Amino acid sequence: NAGVTQTPKFQVLKTGQSMTLQCAQDMNHEYMSWYRQDPGMGLRLIHYSVGAGITDQGEVPNGYNVSRSTTEDFPLRLLSAAPSQTSVYFCASSYSVGQSNEQFFGPGTRLTVL
Amino acid sequence: GQQLNQSPQSMFIQEGEDVSMNCTSSSIFNTWLWYKQDPGEGPVLLIALYKAGELTSNGRLTAQFGITRKDSFLNISASIPSDVGIYFCAGSNYGQNFVFGPGTRLSVLP
Repeated sequence: NAGVTQTPKFQVLKTGQSMTLQCAQDMNHEYMSWYRQDPGMGLRLIHYSVGAGITDQGEVPNGYNVSRSTTEDFPLRLLSAAPSQTSVYFCASSYSVGQSNEQFFGPGTRLTVL
Repeated sequence: GQQLNQSPQSMFIQEGEDVSMNCTSSSIFNTWLWYKQDPGEGPVLLIALYKAGELTSNGRLTAQFGITRKDSFLNISASIPSDVGIYFCAGSNYGQNFVFGPGTRLSVLP
């Protein structure tokens, strides 16, 4: 199993540009989520999904969109990038709610918005 | 929103020493997780705790789920250089909305 994969690993954007961060998992996990990590603030939940076709907002959802058309993929879209979105983004997955709560993380995408 | 506090924020220890860190919350959780993050990598799960009072070990690591369900502790025995990194605690209820602490940065001096 590849586990949780994320692309790209690094990205530089200009203010106002849009892009999609890709996340995929091959563990048949139903629960997937996106976090951003900023210095001294730990990981903050952006959006999550409990299964294909179902998404919900986390703690810091503004400026980000998600969709979950398949169990495997959970892309994160930045519609109009802002410097405040400079961060490291992690995707994570786990089995469905009520079963094992152990989340597995991808390697991260390092995004800089100029 | 929910907040987790971790202490200490950072620590410098000598190789071979034991390490203790803790995590506290203003809310109760039914799951506590401990992760380690190496530079440039994603967090890696170390230990998962599912029951108040539970004590679980993973090699040199031991973690406990506090009786009040508002705290958890992680101990590392006989530290080695590869223990260097940031340790995060996370709490959740039934797998929903994991909340992460700000991390404890561990440095091991040879």
